[in-house]
Amino acid sequence: DAGITQSPRHKVTETGTPVTLRCHQTENHRYMYWYRQDPGHGLRLIHYSYGVKDTDKGEVSDGYSVSRSKTEDFLLTLESATSSQTSVYFCAISESLYGYTFGSGTRLTVV
Amino acid sequence: GENVEQHPSTLSVQEGDSAVIKCTYSDSASNYFPWYKQELGKGPQLIIDIRSNVGEKKDQRIAVTLNKTAKHFSLHITETQPEDSAVYFCAARAIQGAQKLVFGQGTRLTINP
Repeated sequence: DAGITQSPRHKVTETGTPVTLRCHQTENHRYMYWYRQDPGHGLRLIHYSYGVKDTDKGEVSDGYSVSRSKTEDFLLTLESATSSQTSVYFCAISESLYGYTFGSGTRLTVV
Repeated sequence: GENVEQHPSTLSVQEGDSAVIKCTYSDSASNYFPWYKQELGKGPQLIIDIRSNVGEKKDQRIAVTLNKTAKHFSLHITETQPEDSAVYFCAARAIQGAQKLVFGQGTRLTINP
């Protein structure tokens, strides 16, 4: 998707290891979000940011942390990955109160 | 907090027929209701949205209706085509607090030729 890039696109990691996913935007949007997508659950908010160094928890934040040191980058860290964190992770950005733009997602497998 | 329920979870229709997906929300303060389409291997894309000050919005073959009293909103796709096959998500957001969207569980729509 134009203006928003997620990396890596795919990752396999072992239980107990730390993992960091990156979201990079070129749109200079204020708001950034991390969602996870699982069958039967839709998209669930993990963490979000409303500015540099301003972050807050979503509905499924346990086991995750985030950082935003620059407007363009929003990092999601799994401190010690577990099998329940196997999922597809999406980053989204928005500037106004309306309309998100999503990235292409990161498929994470914890074995 | 807000809770969004979406039905059905799967929907199969013949090409050319209409498809309807329904969502209900719990927070009466919600005032923004977007719909997203997700194709295989891609992120969701906004296809249409409606704000609480209107009851219906159309964009070519797609329309969304909102019933604030009953707290439900629906996506209508007419004259369906094979490229409409995808997963569709509804969402809702209240003004109070940070601007977070709460999503429904998704509907996998299949258009049969």
